[in-house]
Amino acid sequence: LAKTTQPISMDSYEGQEVNITCSHNNIATNDYITWYQQFPSQGPRFIIQGYKTKVTNEVASLFIPADRKSSTLSLPRVSLSDTAVYYCLVGYPSNSGYALNFGKGTSLLVT
Amino acid sequence: GAVVSQHPSRVICKSGTSVKIECRSLDFQATTMFWYRQFPKQSLMLMATSNEGSKATYEQGVEKDKFLINHASLTLSTLTVTSAHPEDSSFYICSARDSRGARNEQFFGPGTRLTVL
Repeated sequence: LAKTTQPISMDSYEGQEVNITCSHNNIATNDYITWYQQFPSQGPRFIIQGYKTKVTNEVASLFIPADRKSSTLSLPRVSLSDTAVYYCLVGYPSNSGYALNFGKGTSLLVT
Repeated sequence: GAVVSQHPSRVICKSGTSVKIECRSLDFQATTMFWYRQFPKQSLMLMATSNEGSKATYEQGVEKDKFLINHASLTLSTLTVTSAHPEDSSFYICSARDSRGARNEQFFGPGTRLTVL
């Protein structure tokens, strides 16, 4: 599984856009990039997944450059409730499911 | 979206006892489920992959005789911590993948907080 590197922590104010970048230099051709959010004492929650270019859903956008060696999770207009740990994961979703290799994650504090 | 439940949500036990944690996929079938462990202020660490109808696959360093996994049906996997000790106190989380969707995302349970006295 490809290793990922993210900032340990980030601070932001309510209403701002937050961009969290993840490096994954050894990403394989078949790997997808997935971001999860985790609140204290809860299981992680899926945010967004992408393979290349840009993906957008109701809560976030994911930007992936052409070389796919990094990706950026963009959270528009964050609120206090977005304070959580955000994990970037890289892996290949096979038919049987694939184990997720969680890195240290980015602890986002919104005030 | 798909829902995964865990039971119990919190358990306190005495050292030396065994504790069973259940993981259920409520509205989908999962041939594969995963068990993770998370210590305070640390990331999730994969313990084992649970396969329906066959033996679980354990990660390096995880004792299979201590952490017994049974995946008897397509909607239920259980993790039994045998002869628990205080160092086994942790947050245990399971996940399952819903193969119906195109996103191939994994759904996580709410976790079980185990405290061994």
